[in-house]
Amino acid sequence: NAGVMQNPRHLVRRRGQEARLRCSPMKGHSHVYWYRQLPEEGLKFMVYLQKENIIDESGMPKERFSAEFPKEGPSILRIQQVVRGDSAAYFCASSPPSLKGGGDYGYTFGSGTRLTVV
Amino acid sequence: GESVGLHLPTLSVQEGDNSIINCAYSNSASDYFIWYKQESGKGPQFIIDIRSNMDKRQGQRVTVLLNKTVKHLSLQIAATQPGDSAVYFCAEKMDSWGKLQFGAGTQVVVTP
Repeated sequence: NAGVMQNPRHLVRRRGQEARLRCSPMKGHSHVYWYRQLPEEGLKFMVYLQKENIIDESGMPKERFSAEFPKEGPSILRIQQVVRGDSAAYFCASSPPSLKGGGDYGYTFGSGTRLTVV
Repeated sequence: GESVGLHLPTLSVQEGDNSIINCAYSNSASDYFIWYKQESGKGPQFIIDIRSNMDKRQGQRVTVLLNKTVKHLSLQIAATQPGDSAVYFCAEKMDSWGKLQFGAGTQVVVTP
């Protein structure tokens, strides 16, 4: 039972290029959350998606950033025209449709993609 | 050793001693809180959680305490081991779905 899979683990982009980050949720999980972590800081919520729907994108920058979770395939976080300030670790988490809470929340994080913009 | 809050970035503790990590949360309406452990180069790993209708919850070597009056959480680790060295984050659930707000984190360093 594989966990949340993110790829690539490390991504280097030059300023102005596009970055595509992928997240495959755990089997049976239909909810995906993206978080960004700057060095020595906590994770900051970006967006919450269900299959084919964006539920909450209140943490997403208004420009250059987009996210999708298609019916088939992984969730994609896309950053266009990257700038040095986009350098961070991007984490994806997934959860099942019914959040039980208590004990194991069922909310599982991937190992992240570390984006470096040069 | 005891952390007085997440403004103190590092907690140094001797192996075998108990650790206490503190966290102040922001939303008095939050009903669910989680402590995560993050090792270098890895994603956050669930440690223990607590609902707002509880004051205390115990796991294996860890205890979480919740004080809703002052919006304060703490994580206690008993008999700290080298493998406990990591950054610890508290998180509060912000909505009905599962959006989490994380604290800034505390680096725990276990010394022999």
